[in-house]
Amino acid sequence: EAGVAQSPRYKIIEKRQSVAFWCNPISGHATLYWYQQILGQGPKLLIQFQNNGVVDDSQLPKDRFSAERLKGVDSTLKIQPAKLEDSAVYLCASSLVPNQPQHFGDGTRLSIL
Amino acid sequence: ILNVEQSPQSLHVQEGDSTNFTCSFPSSNFYALHWYRWETAKSPEALFVMTLNGDEKKKGRISATLNTKEGYSYLYIKGSQPEDSATYLCAFGSGTYKYIFGTGTRLKVLA
Repeated sequence: EAGVAQSPRYKIIEKRQSVAFWCNPISGHATLYWYQQILGQGPKLLIQFQNNGVVDDSQLPKDRFSAERLKGVDSTLKIQPAKLEDSAVYLCASSLVPNQPQHFGDGTRLSIL
Repeated sequence: ILNVEQSPQSLHVQEGDSTNFTCSFPSSNFYALHWYRWETAKSPEALFVMTLNGDEKKKGRISATLNTKEGYSYLYIKGSQPEDSATYLCAFGSGTYKYIFGTGTRLKVLA
């Protein structure tokens, strides 16, 4: 089966600019996660979708981050405007149901100048 | 605030050595404990999903145990090989299906 697809792999922007990441989960996976992984730390959950509904977005900085999952399949994560501390790897993962293992994409490495 | 801790943070072992790491998590509202292996330049890969107290899982030379009452899980690697070099992450799943990851244990196996 095809894995979780993410794009772009790398992105460099200046602070205060906007950026968007895209994720295509494994076909049939109802649960989709976006994580932020800062160097030296474990992945931090930003938002979790169940189909196209939000299950948990308690750690999403909503003043600058937004995410959507249209039609319960693909998802986009946007940062507007970016800050220096947003430099991180952004991982997308999906699972069939929440208690199954998560399948991760290769991530997007974001650098803010 | 739920806290998931992993130890050690990093370690180097010689090829052929056996090693183990610890994942500590809250002992209340437990739902599941996941272990992942994350190799450099690749995406994290699931190793084990553990749900029951006393669970023991094995995959080749890697095995894991779970104690939900005291809030810890051990990951063991028998006869480490250079290809085992990676970051090993545990993720604690609470009753609300929210997963919290530890900071990982970075393993380097020296040939």
